[in-house]
Amino acid sequence: DAGITQSPRHKVTETGTPVTLRCHQTENHRYMYWYRQDPGHGLRLIHYSYGVKDTDKGEVSDGYSVSRSKTEDFLLTLESATSSQTSVYFCAISESIPGARSEQYFGPGTRLTVT
Amino acid sequence: LAKTTQPISMDSYEGQEVNITCSHNNIATNDYITWYQQFPSQGPRFIIQGYKTKVTNEVASLFIPADRKSSTLSLPRVSLSDTAVYYCLVYNAGNNRKLIWGLGTSLAVNP
Repeated sequence: DAGITQSPRHKVTETGTPVTLRCHQTENHRYMYWYRQDPGHGLRLIHYSYGVKDTDKGEVSDGYSVSRSKTEDFLLTLESATSSQTSVYFCAISESIPGARSEQYFGPGTRLTVT
Repeated sequence: LAKTTQPISMDSYEGQEVNITCSHNNIATNDYITWYQQFPSQGPRFIIQGYKTKVTNEVASLFIPADRKSSTLSLPRVSLSDTAVYYCLVYNAGNNRKLIWGLGTSLAVNP
């Protein structure tokens, strides 16, 4: 399995508090992604990174920010958590763009509950 | 921009071949098609990827017709451990560079 870890694995927080999720990889892959997964919606891309300090928005980026100061770490921050952000969050990595014979490897997920 | 549509659920029995079709009517010339498998409480895992015609690996085959408006994941002789959710992904390599995921097909393999 690809070396991807996510922390924390579970978190319960209150509405309005900031939350930061961490994704750490040991594969030296260039691309990193944050997804959320909710029943009935499948996987939805929040943000992705194509290099250190290079990030771009996905389809559901409102309320989220990201940072990548090192190749191996990609942080997802909820500036002020809301109940609609209760979800399972997955980090993924890929060596190159996710087509052209490049696959994504997913982390184990973080279950976030906002009360 | 491509949109991916796949059946919500399917049922099968051990030893049967299972075919899951994903529709992507607006797929662009440079888009690739990828399938992932996901078990409960785990992240998705890559199964197979293709661009056109047929691709086969040790676990599955992927059939893509000439017009590329659909693709079919074929799982030969499924077992109980193949019970999972299967996702179709189209990567739009155009200016938008979008990852377009299907909503997943929940496959139940029965004894």
